[in-house]
Amino acid sequence: QVQLVQSGAEVKKPGASVKVSCKASGYSFTSYDVNWVRQATGQGLEWMGWMNPNSGNTGYAQKFQGRVTLTRNTSISTAYMELSSLRSDDTAVYYCARGSRVTEHWGQGTLVTVSS
Amino acid sequence: DIVMTQTPLSSPVTLGQPASISCRSSQSLVHSDGNTYLSWLQQRPGQPPRLLIYKISNRFSGVPDRFSGSGAGTDFTLKISRVEAEDVGLYYCMQATQFPRTFGQGTKVEIK
Repeated sequence: QVQLVQSGAEVKKPGASVKVSCKASGYSFTSYDVNWVRQATGQGLEWMGWMNPNSGNTGYAQKFQGRVTLTRNTSISTAYMELSSLRSDDTAVYYCARGSRVTEHWGQGTLVTVSS
Repeated sequence: DIVMTQTPLSSPVTLGQPASISCRSSQSLVHSDGNTYLSWLQQRPGQPPRLLIYKISNRFSGVPDRFSGSGAGTDFTLKISRVEAEDVGLYYCMQATQFPRTFGQGTKVEIK
């Protein structure tokens, strides 16, 4: 069955970077786009960007341009989201989700806490 | 960016009774390919979002048939024909017609 398994919780200091992984299984990793969405505690869903694992093409929400980088390692079917210059308001659960226009499957989420 | 507006933001419902959530987009969600990329997601407490409905009215695999979606253009509705206890949670509409993808604010469904 399709699974997206994300890396564990992280605690970072303001100004640092975090890299979250999303390991795919149960399907051909390069056949589906991967989106990244975040959710601050008690808040709604916020789309950050997408990546085509086959071509490596990416697109980012303007809010995160210059701070977020999406990459992948096709040999291990894993997508990555790196967010730099972390601030306290980046504290959130970060999700990966498979699909271009229909996000059929979601990872379990990774809590990133930014605190001094 | 396309703004997605959901109403109501909270929906107390009696078990076995219907519930309805509206989602309105600031622009038409009809894509140049003819499809309308409007999805509904459910998020149970402490869980990641789960796809319920895609392209307005298509139920995703394993979704009970008490969930249905309808609408066109800029106005969309999610209906639960008879609310069950496991339906408690947040419901989001999401558009994927244009970048950036955007979500509604979420509607909380709870039992009266």
